[in-house]
Amino acid sequence: GAVVSQHPSRVICKSGTSVKIECRSLDFQATTMFWYRQFPKQSLMLMATSNEGSKATYEQGVEKDKFLINHASLTLSTLTVTSAHPEDSSFYICSARDWVSSGGLDNEQFFGPGTRLTVL
Amino acid sequence: GQNIDQPTEMTATEGAIVQINCTYQTSGFNGLFWYQQHAGEAPTFLSYNVLDGLEEKGRFSSFLSRSKGYSYLLLKELQMKDSASYLCAVRLYRPGNNNDMRFGAGTRLTVKP
Repeated sequence: GAVVSQHPSRVICKSGTSVKIECRSLDFQATTMFWYRQFPKQSLMLMATSNEGSKATYEQGVEKDKFLINHASLTLSTLTVTSAHPEDSSFYICSARDWVSSGGLDNEQFFGPGTRLTVL
Repeated sequence: GQNIDQPTEMTATEGAIVQINCTYQTSGFNGLFWYQQHAGEAPTFLSYNVLDGLEEKGRFSSFLSRSKGYSYLLLKELQMKDSASYLCAVRLYRPGNNNDMRFGAGTRLTVKP
């Protein structure tokens, strides 16, 4: 199956700093990537949909100025958590859809390994 | 709002069969997915149902009843490595974004020897 990578896998930062998380599709092109957040023992919550070459679509309640998304190429999307605070500590996961290998059936999304963010 | 409900925890014995249920109340249903997630790792795809009925894939099967808003994941011949969280996810149809997925909170399965 298709592979999605994330970097870094774990980051610890001080409150007020910004953190950038990269999501890459390694062996396919992804016009659309998705960013999720997962708090301990809770479900994955969709934060935003990242579209290559255009602005991201944010879910209700997600601050677009705080969570900056840039989908600069067909294989890379970045999420920047600006002015991070302890309540932003979470597991951030990206996913991408490999339209071609799925035969256009859009059955599956491939998830990255996740990034554990801890804000002190 | 969108509601996806599944039991929080389940325990089963190695070699046995376990069924994890999922009920949903959503708008614009466009498929139901099951994912396995080990602690601290990303979810991995298990199964997909868009039509009513049973989909079988090795030791794993998934069933869907759209009229009842109900699905289950059936795991046979349980192995210790099957201990994980199992996430039920419903894909909603939204114009311009046909892959808007909403996840249940997950069912933490513990397999005991």
